[in-house]
Amino acid sequence: GQNIDQPTEMTATEGAIVQINCTYQTSGFNGLFWYQQHAGEAPTFLSYNVLDGLEEKGRFSSFLSRSKGYSYLLLKELQMKDSASYLCAVPNYGGATNKLIFGTGTLLAVQP
Amino acid sequence: GAVVSQHPSRVICKSGTSVKIECRSLDFQATTMFWYRQFPKKSLMLMATSNEGSKATYEQGVEKDKFLINHASLTLSTLTVTSAHPEDSSFYICSARGGGNTVGNTIYFGEGSWLTVV
Repeated sequence: GQNIDQPTEMTATEGAIVQINCTYQTSGFNGLFWYQQHAGEAPTFLSYNVLDGLEEKGRFSSFLSRSKGYSYLLLKELQMKDSASYLCAVPNYGGATNKLIFGTGTLLAVQP
Repeated sequence: GAVVSQHPSRVICKSGTSVKIECRSLDFQATTMFWYRQFPKKSLMLMATSNEGSKATYEQGVEKDKFLINHASLTLSTLTVTSAHPEDSSFYICSARGGGNTVGNTIYFGEGSWLTVV
């Protein structure tokens, strides 16, 4: 089975840096996704990590440690528009199919 | 990039009726699509895996007779909520994996469909 844990809510200030953590337990590992979801909208892809280390993409970076079952999403220079839910997800591959299993999501509120 | 389209984006139906939601992959063939359900302020819950040309695979606790899934072609999957009740009101989202051998960002989501049962 799979278990994914994220903090439920976080608050940060505009212009600051925030780190959203995700721990996971999976039977087999096929990478980890981060998605951003604004209220009432479908998720949008942010990052995919399959190897250990930090991957930077503009203001957003994602880190993975497979040995620790741990990932984080780092958001720099926060903007008000970054207020959203951030979903950590892992694929569960079985045969020819692949399911994306989501964590509970972290609701980030960016304040002025 | 690849696009997955869902229709309708919003639908209101009366209790006891059925409603169909379509999920289309617009520029790639998707042998497998996934249907998720999301309640307000909750994460996405996988309902079922839609397999082209065969029966859908439902997650534990999801009523297959209530949520009918049909994957009639490589670009279309439909979710029909039968005999809808107010508790079925939710945000339904489909996803599909694009072609190629890399996982990366090749899982695409539809825009989602808001269902309100009155």
